[in-house]
Amino acid sequence: EPEVTQTPSHQVTQMGQEVILRCVPISNHLYFYWYRQILGQKVEFLVSFYNNEISEKSEIFDDQFSVERPDGSNFTLKIRSTKLEDSAMYFCASSEASRPGNEKLFFGSGTQLSVL
Amino acid sequence: SQQGEEDPQALSIQEGENATMNCSYKTSINNLQWYRQNSGRGLVHLILIRSNEREKHSGRLRVTLDTSKKSSSLLITASRAADTASYFCATAASGYSTLTFGKGTMLLVSP
Repeated sequence: EPEVTQTPSHQVTQMGQEVILRCVPISNHLYFYWYRQILGQKVEFLVSFYNNEISEKSEIFDDQFSVERPDGSNFTLKIRSTKLEDSAMYFCASSEASRPGNEKLFFGSGTQLSVL
Repeated sequence: SQQGEEDPQALSIQEGENATMNCSYKTSINNLQWYRQNSGRGLVHLILIRSNEREKHSGRLRVTLDTSKKSSSLLITASRAADTASYFCATAASGYSTLTFGKGTMLLVSP
């Protein structure tokens, strides 16, 4: 069964450093998402991406965050200057629907980001 | 926010028993979905119920939706130790696209 893959599985960085989290969504999917989950808390929406542009973003997704689809397969989340509170598990997801929210999401296994 | 809120926060049962988890939300929705998350892993979609449906089954899973009460329940019958996981409901509000998740119910099934 096709799956969403994320790399790396763990990322440790120093506060103020830039990090790039990578994802390969399922190939025929149209919408891509980033969510994050701080340990023991709910899964929070960050951003959705469709047709090479941001479709929606949450209040969490401020100017320190950016997303990119640099080629036909990868989808990246960049955090320009990491803060301690950015420590979380970051999940990439994709869906095949042209109207997100109406179909199921396929999630990757996540990247655990630790900011020291 | 129209995010779902699950109840209970934690549930501990014996293998073979049924597990029921509830979800409440605040605004009109297109659909409601349930996901499972094993510890430290990504979320896996279990079932989707649309706003015009009242009940849906998938294997040992039964989901109900009451739009008048803005609530849903997930029933897992004849539970197994492998069902141990966190279960989240997620809603997509009418007219919006974002799928938002609740805090989850942590289910522990003991052998």
